[in-house]
Amino acid sequence: EVQLVESGGGLVQPGGSLRLSCAASGFTFSSNWMSWVRQAPGKGLEWVANIKQDGSEKYYVESVKGRFTISRDNAKSSMYLQMDSLRAEDTAVYYCARTRIATAIFDCWGQGTLVTVSS
Amino acid sequence: DIQMTQSPSTLSASVGDRVTITCRASQSISSWLAWYQQKPGKAPNLVISKASSLESGVPSRFSGSGSGTEFTLTISGLQPDDFATYYCQKYNSYPLIFGGGTKVEIK
Repeated sequence: EVQLVESGGGLVQPGGSLRLSCAASGFTFSSNWMSWVRQAPGKGLEWVANIKQDGSEKYYVESVKGRFTISRDNAKSSMYLQMDSLRAEDTAVYYCARTRIATAIFDCWGQGTLVTVSS
Repeated sequence: DIQMTQSPSTLSASVGDRVTITCRASQSISSWLAWYQQKPGKAPNLVISKASSLESGVPSRFSGSGSGTEFTLTISGLQPDDFATYYCQKYNSYPLIFGGGTKVEIK
């Protein structure tokens, strides 16, 4: 069974940093692009970033460029999101999502981890 | 960037109804469109890919159509389990964009 488990969310002050992790199991992690998608409270879905199988390509939504860094460790079947210079508008549930091979759709999701940016 | 506009934002319907949700792209995205279902407090679930391909395990009452800039998700014979919020997503190019969502609620 495919499983994605996020961790690392919490309360952080504006300007602070947080590192999210996503632990994957049940599939060959190194075969898929992986993504982060977020959802602000009561709002819709927003793609944040994704990363190629070997980490050689990364893409970000404009609003997080220069502040967030996506990475992965295939040996640990894990993906990460380093979030720096956090703003109130980054408050959201962050989902880890597997990206289907040869597409950019999200065919499996974690349960999400809540990040709250507030003083 | 391409914008994705869903309508309506809320839809009230009864069990057994046929409902249609529309998603419009500001530029052509060919058939590179997916639909997701999300229930409160849960992660989204992929329902349809490439505009009209039903995902494994998704009931056949769900169908998708369209290409270019206009797409529809139809539920034929709404069931209690279908009351949820639905999102379209374009994936032809970056950035990957979701529509604003359509909440299907009980009438």
